[in-house]
Amino acid sequence: QVQLVQSGAEVKKPGASVKISCKASGYTFASYGIHWVRQAPGQRLEWMGWINAGIGNTKYSQNFQGRVTFTRDTSAITVYMELSSLRSEDTAVYYCARGQDSDSWIFDYWGPGTLVTVSS
Amino acid sequence: DIVMTQSPDSLAVSLGERATISCKSSQNILSSSNNKNYLAWFQHKPGQSPNLLIYWASTRESGVPDRFSGSGSGTDFSLTITSLQAEDVAVYFCQQYYGGPITFGQGTRLEIK
Repeated sequence: QVQLVQSGAEVKKPGASVKISCKASGYTFASYGIHWVRQAPGQRLEWMGWINAGIGNTKYSQNFQGRVTFTRDTSAITVYMELSSLRSEDTAVYYCARGQDSDSWIFDYWGPGTLVTVSS
Repeated sequence: DIVMTQSPDSLAVSLGERATISCKSSQNILSSSNNKNYLAWFQHKPGQSPNLLIYWASTRESGVPDRFSGSGSGTDFSLTITSLQAEDVAVYFCQQYYGGPITFGQGTRLEIK
């Protein structure tokens, strides 16, 4: 069955970077896209962007442009999200979610989430 | 950005009764090219990942019980759960994928009365 397994919780200081992994299984990795979504405490979900896991092209939300980078390792069937210049407002649960196909924006499977805490 | 507004913020319904959640978009999310509404509904239970229920406003995802249904078009949408079950207690949120950044509703907390 389709599974997305994310890396564990992180605690970072302001100004640092964080890199979260999302390992896929149960489907053909390169045939789907992966989206990243976050939810800060008490806030609604916020879409960060998308990567085509096959060819690696990306689309980033303007809210994160210049601070976020998505990459993928097809041999490791893993997608990565790196967020830099962290600030306290970046404290959130970060989810990866699979699109229904390589460029779909319909999220049919989600990872369990990774809590990132930014604190001095 | 398209703003998604849900109502109510919380809802308590008796077991076996109907629950209806509304979602309004600040812009039209019906495509004139394919006549599809770019709206999805999700269920999110504590400690679990969100679960896709409905997409294209009214298409039920495989495996989702038929007591869940979606309706609406343009800017006004609703999710209806007929005959509420105990396992339906969750936060429900809508999402538009029409354009600009994908955006989400603030969520509606559904409880048992």
